Amino acid sequence: NAGVTQTPKFQVLKTGQSMTLQCAQDMNHNSMYWYRQDPGMGLRLIYYSASEGTTDKGEVPNGYNVSRLNKREFSLRLESAAPSQTSVYFCASSENWGNEKLFFGSGTQLSVL
Amino acid sequence: KQEVTQIPAALSVPEGENLVLNCSFTDSAIYNLQWFRQDPGKGLTSLLLIQSSQREQTSGRLNASLDKSSGRSTLYIAASQPGDSATYLCAVNSYNQGGKLIFGQGTELSVKP
Repeated sequence: NAGVTQTPKFQVLKTGQSMTLQCAQDMNHNSMYWYRQDPGMGLRLIYYSASEGTTDKGEVPNGYNVSRLNKREFSLRLESAAPSQTSVYFCASSENWGNEKLFFGSGTQLSVL
Repeated sequence: KQEVTQIPAALSVPEGENLVLNCSFTDSAIYNLQWFRQDPGKGLTSLLLIQSSQREQTSGRLNASLDKSSGRSTLYIAASQPGDSATYLCAVNSYNQGGKLIFGQGTELSVKP
């Protein structure tokens, strides 16, 4: 049972490049999330999908887009990467929205030069 | 706006000691509170989830308590081991945040053999 799988684990981009972070869960969870973790700022919610077919902005959505491809997969896209988006990105899932235990992926270390 | 604070930011103890990690939050109107563990370079693992109607939850050597009225939670670790060394984060799910988790910045625990 893999849980939440994120790819890639590491990525280096130049300013202005685009990329997509992939996330898949095999727990049949309805809700999925993207967080970023920065020193001194803690974990902050970027976007979430409470259920298949819905997506909503979190605390820091600017510069990102998401797609809930199906119940298993939730991707995060950076259209034009900026140095301020250098961070560790985590995908997470829960059985349902709002009141459930969260399961996290192992993270993507992204550097934007 | 909900704010979550964890003090101290870092803690070092000798093996075998019982210890308490603290988490405080400013808005007592919460659905639940979760404690997570994060190992270096890894994702978060949910340890305990306490619903707002509960006072405490236990899992093995871990016991988490919740006092909503005072805006506090503690994570008690009994008979600490070097393998407990990690960063411990608490996160609050409050009514006024629409079901989004608000994380503290964590306590980095080091258990010395």
